[in-house]
Amino acid sequence: EAGVAQSPRYKIIEKRQSVAFWCNPISGHATLYWYQQILGQGPKLLIQFQNNGVVDDSQLPKDRFSAERLKGVDSTLKIQPAKLEDSAVYLCASSLEVGELFFGEGSRLTVL
Amino acid sequence: DQQVKQNSPSLSVQEGRISILNCDYTNSMFDYFLWYKKYPAEGPTFLISISSIKDKNEDGRFTVFLNKSAKHLSLHIVPSQPGDSAVYFCAASARNSGYALNFGKGTSLLVTP
Repeated sequence: EAGVAQSPRYKIIEKRQSVAFWCNPISGHATLYWYQQILGQGPKLLIQFQNNGVVDDSQLPKDRFSAERLKGVDSTLKIQPAKLEDSAVYLCASSLEVGELFFGEGSRLTVL
Repeated sequence: DQQVKQNSPSLSVQEGRISILNCDYTNSMFDYFLWYKKYPAEGPTFLISISSIKDKNEDGRFTVFLNKSAKHLSLHIVPSQPGDSAVYFCAASARNSGYALNFGKGTSLLVTP
């Protein structure tokens, strides 16, 4: 079974530029999550989708971050404009059942 | 506000001995708890979980204990192996928040030969 796919693995941009991350969840997983992991911290939930509807986006900085999940499968997370403090690993995860999330390898963003 | 706390950033254990990783939580609505393991440059991988209706769950060398009254859980690894060296994240979720996981900051475990 293929795992959660994410791209790009690494991205370096300057502040005020924009960036987009893509995620393809495990086939059949209805729930998709985006987490932000800053160095030395645990992952923090940004947004949770159930199919293509948003369940929780309370911690998403909506002035600069946006996410969508068209057709209830793939998802993109966009940051525009980026700030220095957005440097982090962006993790996508999906789940079929309650509780256990399967994570991708993450997309590491460096903002200069 | 950190609802899941792992107060030990690192732990070093000799091979063959027991590793005990601790986790505390503050939200009494949490009813499902998980441990994830993370190697560098990889995403976290699920290790073991426990529901709030239980106080112990065992899977091979890994056992998770839950003390609801103390809002505390622990992961025991016995015997520890060098391949267990990784960062371990404690996570908790609640039905009323869609079971999204709240993570601690992680504990870096080093198992020395």
